[in-house]
Amino acid sequence: AAGVIQSPRHLIKEKRETATLKCYPIPRHDTVYWYQQGPGQDPQFLISFYEKMQSDKGSIPDRFSAQQFSDYHSELNMSSLELGDSALYFCASSLEGGGQEYEKLFFGSGTQLSVL
Amino acid sequence: GENVEQHPSTLSVQEGDSAVIKCTYSDSASNYFPWYKQELGKGPQLIIDIRSNVGEKKDQRIAVTLNKTAKHFSLHITETQPEDSAVYFCAAPKPTDSSYKLIFGSGTRLLVRP
Repeated sequence: AAGVIQSPRHLIKEKRETATLKCYPIPRHDTVYWYQQGPGQDPQFLISFYEKMQSDKGSIPDRFSAQQFSDYHSELNMSSLELGDSALYFCASSLEGGGQEYEKLFFGSGTQLSVL
Repeated sequence: GENVEQHPSTLSVQEGDSAVIKCTYSDSASNYFPWYKQELGKGPQLIIDIRSNVGEKKDQRIAVTLNKTAKHFSLHITETQPEDSAVYFCAAPKPTDSSYKLIFGSGTRLLVRP
């Protein structure tokens, strides 16, 4: 079965640079979530989109922005990168219009961002 | 808002033994409780979930129990195998009027010794 696809798998940037992370949800899934996971930490919610509209916002810095496109893929844009932004960034998708199935989040393999 | 606490943070068991991981949640309105397994370098994988209208759910060697009164739920793994070694996260939902998201526990690193 198709899963959530994230790219790139690894990304190395320097301080103050910008980065763009991409997420392709499971086909037919209409909701995308972004989570940030630091080393040894639990995933922290950043932002979510439903039907291309932002649906919720968590602990996402103002330097970050995201959007969901007409084909439901999503991009997380990160500017003025700081050392503390180094983390695993996960995208998850779910089917909002699927009755109780909307509660099931399926995660991608993540993008490991290293800021030097 | 929802707060999820998970323990233990690390758990080491002998192959074949059982492992139990416990979580508590704060929002009595929460009604869905998933468990995720995360292997090194991979994303969290949903392994089992339970809804508030049942007290226990089993899937082969794994089971989840829920005590709504006490607001806690547990993951039980029987006949553990080395490939069960991973970090396990519990989660609970934090729904709002317009959105839904999962709040995760702090994770349990399970090591199964051959």
